[in-house]
Amino acid sequence: EAGVAQSPRYKIIEKRQSVAFWCNPISGHATLYWYQQILGQGPKLLIQFQNNGVVDDSQLPKDRFSAERLKGVDSTLKIQPAKLEDSAVYLCASSLPGQENGYTFGSGTRLTVV
Amino acid sequence: AQKVTQAQTEISVVEKEDVTLDCVYETRDTTYYLFWYKQPPSGELVFLIRRNSFDEQNEISGRYSWNFQKSTSSFNFTITASQVVDSAVYFCALFPLGTASKLTFGTGTRLQVTL
Repeated sequence: EAGVAQSPRYKIIEKRQSVAFWCNPISGHATLYWYQQILGQGPKLLIQFQNNGVVDDSQLPKDRFSAERLKGVDSTLKIQPAKLEDSAVYLCASSLPGQENGYTFGSGTRLTVV
Repeated sequence: AQKVTQAQTEISVVEKEDVTLDCVYETRDTTYYLFWYKQPPSGELVFLIRRNSFDEQNEISGRYSWNFQKSTSSFNFTITASQVVDSAVYFCALFPLGTASKLTFGTGTRLQVTL
């Protein structure tokens, strides 16, 4: 089966600019996650969707980050305006119901804010 | 709250050596899952193993083995006869089946295997 697709692979922007990332999960995976991985750290959950509804966005900086999953399939994560500390790899993952099955991760988008 | 600690930031070994990566976790939930993921330089997280809290049987898969000890809240990962291709960052993760069910990662251990 095809994996989790993410684009772009790399992005460099200036601070205060906006940026958007796209994720296409594995077909049939109802649950979709966005993780932020800062260099030298483990991934941190930003937001979790179940179909097109938000399950957990407690660690999403809502003043600048937003995410949506229209139609319960693809998802976009947006940052507006970006700060230097947003430089990180943004990983998308998806899973079947029964989250203990383990997640399948995409290759991530490496964001550099200068 | 749940927490995963990987105290080893970086390990460097010579090919064919055995190496153990440590993982200690904290959770108040009695039912949970533990995972190990590998993150090669390409960046994706590759699933290696899942273990539930009721199964303390150790597991071996080729050169990989895992030692789960509930009494010490540890889930250590051993690579036998390491190879250069094993070079990566390895993450231990915890998924408690409680009210705050989400996958929590440790900070990772970078393994460098040299010739």
